[in-house]
Amino acid sequence: NAGVTQTPKFQVLKTGQSMTLQCAQDMNHNSMYWYRQDPGMGLRLIYYSASEGTTDKGEVPNGYNVSRLNKREFSLRLESAAPSQTSVYFCASSLKGNPYNEQFFGPGTRLTVL
Amino acid sequence: AQTVTQSQPEMSVQEAETVTLSCTYDTSESNYYLFWYKQPPSRQMILVIRQEAYKQQNATENRFSVNFQKAAKSFSLKISDSQLGDTAMYFCAFMKPSGNTPLVFGKGTRLSVIA
Repeated sequence: NAGVTQTPKFQVLKTGQSMTLQCAQDMNHNSMYWYRQDPGMGLRLIYYSASEGTTDKGEVPNGYNVSRLNKREFSLRLESAAPSQTSVYFCASSLKGNPYNEQFFGPGTRLTVL
Repeated sequence: AQTVTQSQPEMSVQEAETVTLSCTYDTSESNYYLFWYKQPPSRQMILVIRQEAYKQQNATENRFSVNFQKAAKSFSLKISDSQLGDTAMYFCAFMKPSGNTPLVFGKGTRLSVIA
């Protein structure tokens, strides 16, 4: 089991460029999440998908779009990157019904927007 | 909306000593889950310990234990016999009980264990 995988691990973009962050899980989890981590701010929710076919906004959704491609994959797209989107992005997944609904995290993507 | 507050941005402890990290939260829910996550320099988020609000007994995992005070909405983490490998950011997090809901994180406490 690879768990939760994210690609790429690092990325540098110029302002206005677009890119998609990929996330996949092989644990047959039904829920997936995107968080961003900024210094001194903890992790904040961007979007989540409670089940295949559904997505919901989190605390900081502006400037992002998501796609739940299938049960395994949940991508995050930046259409026109801005320096304020410089951050570390984490994908996570969970299985409804498991005790405590524990979330499992990917290794993160460090994104720099110049 | 739920909020989680970690009032100690940074802490340090001598190796083999005990340290307590503080966390308070605000919610109107009667049942919920609380978590402590560790983030070492590798950046990986690692679950340390978890607690369900209706369980009065404090959770323990080896050298890690919590002091859960529901009425005070407090959830502190105690690390006993601190080791160099405990050096990391520690995040307190809250989850509603309905399942498949996002975590609400505190801003974190950076812990340094000193040899």
